[in-house]
Amino acid sequence: KAGVTQTPRYLIKTRGQQVTLSCSPISGHRSVSWYQQTPGQGLQFLFEYFSETQRNKGNFPGRFSGRQFSNSRSEMNVSTLELGDSALYLCASSLAWGRTSTDTQYFGPGTRLTVL
Amino acid sequence: DAKTTQPPSMDCAEGRAANLPCNHSTISGNEYVYWYRQIHSQGPQYIIHGLKNNETNEMASLIITEDRKSSTLILPHATLRDTAVYYCIVRANAGNNRKLIWGLGTSLAVNP
Repeated sequence: KAGVTQTPRYLIKTRGQQVTLSCSPISGHRSVSWYQQTPGQGLQFLFEYFSETQRNKGNFPGRFSGRQFSNSRSEMNVSTLELGDSALYLCASSLAWGRTSTDTQYFGPGTRLTVL
Repeated sequence: DAKTTQPPSMDCAEGRAANLPCNHSTISGNEYVYWYRQIHSQGPQYIIHGLKNNETNEMASLIITEDRKSSTLILPHATLRDTAVYYCIVRANAGNNRKLIWGLGTSLAVNP
């Protein structure tokens, strides 16, 4: 079974631009979470989507947004890019949301965003 | 804030067992202990998880103390490819607490 895929793998943008990152979950997985990883802050949770609805949200400004499509694929968007948005953006997929049984998140390789 | 504490770094000789400790004294009854590892600049790789019983899979073993306040990840025969940052995370599997909250992890160096 194919793993989580993220596109593009690398991206260079300039301040003020916007960017859209894409994530395709493992086949059959319906929940997608996004994380930001920077050297200074480590891995931080952005948001989680299930059934095209945002279920959880981290402490990020409104410039960070996301959505999920009916095929469970997800995109995240960052508007008005700042230098501090340079990071590795990671997507993780899991089977479902709200289950009490085990539900492991599996990660993609990430998108490396550089803001100049 | 992360709900776990781990030593910042550890060394292990190739072929020997690597025992990585984790303290999670405030763990709740419905929270699982998860272990991931991250090799430089790659996405985190899931290793193993457990609730209260010890667990073993093809990658590692997880030993959870009876009071569930700490656990140990065991890599039985460490190889150079096991050099990575290992993260211990406690997480509920439902509701608003299901997001992964990451600490700083343990940087494991496997030496030849």
